[in-house]
Amino acid sequence: DAGITQSPRYKITETGRQVTLMCHQTWSHSYMFWYRQDLGHGLRLIYYSAAADITDKGEVPDGYVVSRSKTENFPLTLESATRSQTSVYFCASSARWVTSYEQYFGPGTRLTVT
Amino acid sequence: TQLLEQSPQFLSIQEGENLTVYCNSSSVFSSLQWYRQEPGEGPVLLVTVVTGGEVKKLKRLTFQFGDARKDSSLHITAAQPGDTGLYLCAGFLFGNEKLTFGTGTRLTIIP
Repeated sequence: DAGITQSPRYKITETGRQVTLMCHQTWSHSYMFWYRQDLGHGLRLIYYSAAADITDKGEVPDGYVVSRSKTENFPLTLESATRSQTSVYFCASSARWVTSYEQYFGPGTRLTVT
Repeated sequence: TQLLEQSPQFLSIQEGENLTVYCNSSSVFSSLQWYRQEPGEGPVLLVTVVTGGEVKKLKRLTFQFGDARKDSSLHITAAQPGDTGLYLCAGFLFGNEKLTFGTGTRLTIIP
């Protein structure tokens, strides 16, 4: 199906474990983003990518790693999960990144770190 | 410090009533967007406003961008249960390509 998908939708992991959240889009959008959503903070940008092999930090990058070897995939890895990383994670994509362009969001991954 | 403050944080009203949600900042934005998010889903764009003072209408929803480009409002006329959701404003600061989100307003329309 066309669109942007995330997997898994729900994940429970233990402190210290590595976990990877997957994001896949079928529009061939150049730009992809990872956000986390927490009560009282809204959505905060973790990392973004302008194209394959081009990534950059957002507002809250510490503890996260991204890669983008293919245009359609943008995985987010928590190298050693901490309880403060319990959150809902959203992946988004955009055809262009100018100030009036729409970002399309995936359905989110709810991550709990115990 | 949150760059974009939304008020109220929670709003619960009866079907048929009117309401206004506010998005305020001390910073100037080149454009501002409004998204609606339903439970278990990602945000979906409703509108983008780019000119100070601009007003856009989407059926019963009216969006306004402040003259000074520091604030915006969303007015809903004759609210319906289908309007229930989390409303997020988001803006692009001048000279900054990153989209900054507000804290959100959780709206519940009671049938």
